[in-house]
Amino acid sequence: GAGVSQSPSNKVTEKGKDVELRCDPISGHTALYWYRQSLGQGLEFLIYFQGNSAPDKSGLPSDRFSAERTGGSVSTLTIQRTQQEDSAVYLCASSFSDREDNQPQHFGDGTRLSIL
Amino acid sequence: DAKTTQPNSMESNEEEPVHLPCNHSTISGTDYIHWYRQLPSQGPEYVIHGLTSNVNNRMASLAIAEDRKSSTLILHRATLRDAAVYYCILEAVQGAQKLVFGQGTRLTINP
Repeated sequence: GAGVSQSPSNKVTEKGKDVELRCDPISGHTALYWYRQSLGQGLEFLIYFQGNSAPDKSGLPSDRFSAERTGGSVSTLTIQRTQQEDSAVYLCASSFSDREDNQPQHFGDGTRLSIL
Repeated sequence: DAKTTQPNSMESNEEEPVHLPCNHSTISGTDYIHWYRQLPSQGPEYVIHGLTSNVNNRMASLAIAEDRKSSTLILHRATLRDAAVYYCILEAVQGAQKLVFGQGTRLTINP
């Protein structure tokens, strides 16, 4: 079946521009997560959605970062006034919401964002 | 978040077993032990998870120490495709939880 799909796979933009990154989760997965991975760094959590609400936004690095999810499915991560330190691979993951059985997270292959 | 400690890198030969260790001395009674791996240019991939008992699946086995302060991921017969960074992560049992990734172990497989 289809996995988590992210678009675009690569994005190059100039400093100061806004960017939107898209994530299509696996059908039926109500939990959705955004992470980012900077060069030489580990993966860091950004935000978690349960349905359309975001109970945990603790990882968003600044108010330039925002995310939304509509229809309990597609999510968009927006970065305003991009800075060079925003260059990273942005990864999306989804899972079933029933965590009692510790359902695994399924990751997309990410969007590689480069800020010139 | 409970922390895990893994060796930075390990090396093995193709078709041999690989034992990847993880220490988690501050694990709580409700923490599951998860393993993910990340192949080059891909997102992380779930490998296996367990709570107390050893677990087996088509990809690997997970051996958990009796005191749960350490665990070992076992690849029974490594292939070149198993070259990846392997992450050992603790995740609390209740509610959807973010994954807290450490630096992981970079596994190299020699032909």
